[in-house]
Amino acid sequence: TQLLEQSPQFLSIQEGENLTVYCNSSSVFSSLQWYRQEPGEGPVLLVTVVTGGEVKKLKRLTFQFGDARKDSSLHITAAQPGDTGLYLCAGEESGGSNYKLTFGKGTLLTVNP
Amino acid sequence: KAGVTQTPRYLIKTRGQQVTLSCSPISGHRSVSWYQQTPGQGLQFLFEYFSETQRNKGNFPGRFSGRQFSNSRSEMNVSTLELGDSALYLCASSFSGTGGSPLHFGNGTRLTVT
Repeated sequence: TQLLEQSPQFLSIQEGENLTVYCNSSSVFSSLQWYRQEPGEGPVLLVTVVTGGEVKKLKRLTFQFGDARKDSSLHITAAQPGDTGLYLCAGEESGGSNYKLTFGKGTLLTVNP
Repeated sequence: KAGVTQTPRYLIKTRGQQVTLSCSPISGHRSVSWYQQTPGQGLQFLFEYFSETQRNKGNFPGRFSGRQFSNSRSEMNVSTLELGDSALYLCASSFSGTGGSPLHFGNGTRLTVT
């Protein structure tokens, strides 16, 4: 079973600060996805990274996939209260065509105004 | 385009009972996956259906089962409920169920077992 470890588990910061959350595994994934989940709602896909070393930017969010495709990071610049939520990484297991994602337990981010 | 719809939103059951949850995918999506979310374990994969066939299954006991209908709607059933089955059950649909087809989640069914 492939596992994804996310850190930190909880993060509380002030508006305007920068932050980075991490997603690590000892296994290789064919792709890695980041989701944000708000209370009472399902996760919403933010980005998918596929190539080792890939960097993707989504406004103030920067996502990076490790060279070996085992880890990823999410960096938020100048965090805003609207960024508050549970950030989940999910890895797609290598091989086959069936869609089975392994999720990390998430980083609960609170951005205080 | 309507999103993924899960019903009911909330359920309270007692130990030993059974429960059926429903998921209507986005129109045109043929793959439906189910996940269990708990504070301790996070999101865990239950199973995935494509064109009425179960293609993949997670490590859950046989009390957890599912099915998919010809219109791609899916149901999951949990029999002989246990307290530990209390969780948010999430359904996700995608066009093809492969890596190039992103998942769209519903808002879940919150199941409480007393």
